[in-house]
Amino acid sequence: TQLLEQSPQFLSIQEGENLTVYCNSSSVFSSLQWYRQEPGEGPVLLVTVVTGGEVKKLKRLTFQFGDARKDSSLHITAAQPGDTGLYLCAGAVGNAGKSTFGDGTTLTVKP
Amino acid sequence: DSGVTQTPKHLITATGQRVTLRCSPRSGDLSVYWYQQSLDQGLQFLIQYYNGEERAKGNILERFSAQQFPDLHSELNLSSLELGDSALYFCASSVGLAGSSGQFFGPGTRLTVL
Repeated sequence: TQLLEQSPQFLSIQEGENLTVYCNSSSVFSSLQWYRQEPGEGPVLLVTVVTGGEVKKLKRLTFQFGDARKDSSLHITAAQPGDTGLYLCAGAVGNAGKSTFGDGTTLTVKP
Repeated sequence: DSGVTQTPKHLITATGQRVTLRCSPRSGDLSVYWYQQSLDQGLQFLIQYYNGEERAKGNILERFSAQQFPDLHSELNLSSLELGDSALYFCASSVGLAGSSGQFFGPGTRLTVL
């Protein structure tokens, strides 16, 4: 069983601060996705990373895939209240047919 | 809007009953996934179908079953419902088999078992 551990579990910061959340595993993934979920709604895909060491930027969000493709990080610059939500990472292994989701980081950005 | 639709949005029923949740994937997507999300369990993978065939199973109870029809829509059947089955049920879809390019989630069905 591939397990994805996300840290921290909860994070509460002030508007304008920077933050990094992590997604770690002992398994090697062929790809890794990050999602954001707001209460009562479905997760929304933010990004997919597939190459070890890959860095992708989405406005103020920077995603990095570890060189060994076992871990990933999400960095948010100058956080805004609209960034509040549950951030989930999910890893896929080859053509196994399913992705494994982490338990998520709940981010609260206070105005 | 992800392009994935789920009905109904809310469902309230009693213990012991049976319900059916419906999902229509994004146009062109062949894979459909079902997830259960409760406050204390996080997002739990239940089952995946690809082009009508079951491809992967997760933590799905024997009381639960699913199928994908020729038009690619899917249904999740929950029977002999228990209080603990109350949760959000999400359907997701992807183009390929492994979902390695990401999955697109529907808005979910909130099931309340009284």
